[in-house]
Amino acid sequence: DGGITQSPKYLFRKEGQNVTLSCEQNLNHDAMYWYRQDPGQGLRLIYYSQIVNDFQKGDIAEGYSVSREKKESFPLTVTSAQKNPTAFYLCASGRQGSNTGELFFGEGSRLTVL
Amino acid sequence: AQSVTQLGSHVSVSEGALVLLRCNYSSSVPPYLFWYVQYPNQGLQLLLKYTTGATLVKGINGFEAEFKKSETSFHLTKPSAHMSDAAEYFCAVSGQGFQKLVFGTGTRLLVSP
Repeated sequence: DGGITQSPKYLFRKEGQNVTLSCEQNLNHDAMYWYRQDPGQGLRLIYYSQIVNDFQKGDIAEGYSVSREKKESFPLTVTSAQKNPTAFYLCASGRQGSNTGELFFGEGSRLTVL
Repeated sequence: AQSVTQLGSHVSVSEGALVLLRCNYSSSVPPYLFWYVQYPNQGLQLLLKYTTGATLVKGINGFEAEFKKSETSFHLTKPSAHMSDAAEYFCAVSGQGFQKLVFGTGTRLLVSP
């Protein structure tokens, strides 16, 4: 079945460590997105990519990095520079330039810093 | 630039009662509007969307929403709540020629027996 797969679902990290969250899609979508979700704050955009080998910062990119080497994959690295990384992270994809604007979401990854 | 305001972080209804979740938007261009639903520890699922055309849009699970340009609103309704409707609901907006979605802060719907 087509969809978006995020892994791991739960991740624990010690302070000072970098961690990478995986996001893979088989929907043949050009655009991919990373959102961070905190209680009461909704979803905030971290990074997005509209095409392979290109990506743009979202509203809260500080302390995060991404790569887009393949159309199917858009991993997110949470670096030690991110001051408050404990959150629920959601990856999404969509058709670039689509006139519908619908995004398809993965199941999310919950990161907890110990 | 676009933004979304969802009134009420929590809404409580009884099973069988009307569900009304409020969303107001701001957009400098004609908007595309969306409602997504999220169940605990899961991703978001599209409920319905407005792009162009008919202003009353119907979605899954009996939900519908009406685009009112004069009121800059896109409220979500369902005539009769079911226990399975308990979830968090997000309103979102994007501009035509879609680049990215801007989400509201969400409304948690609680349904009591």
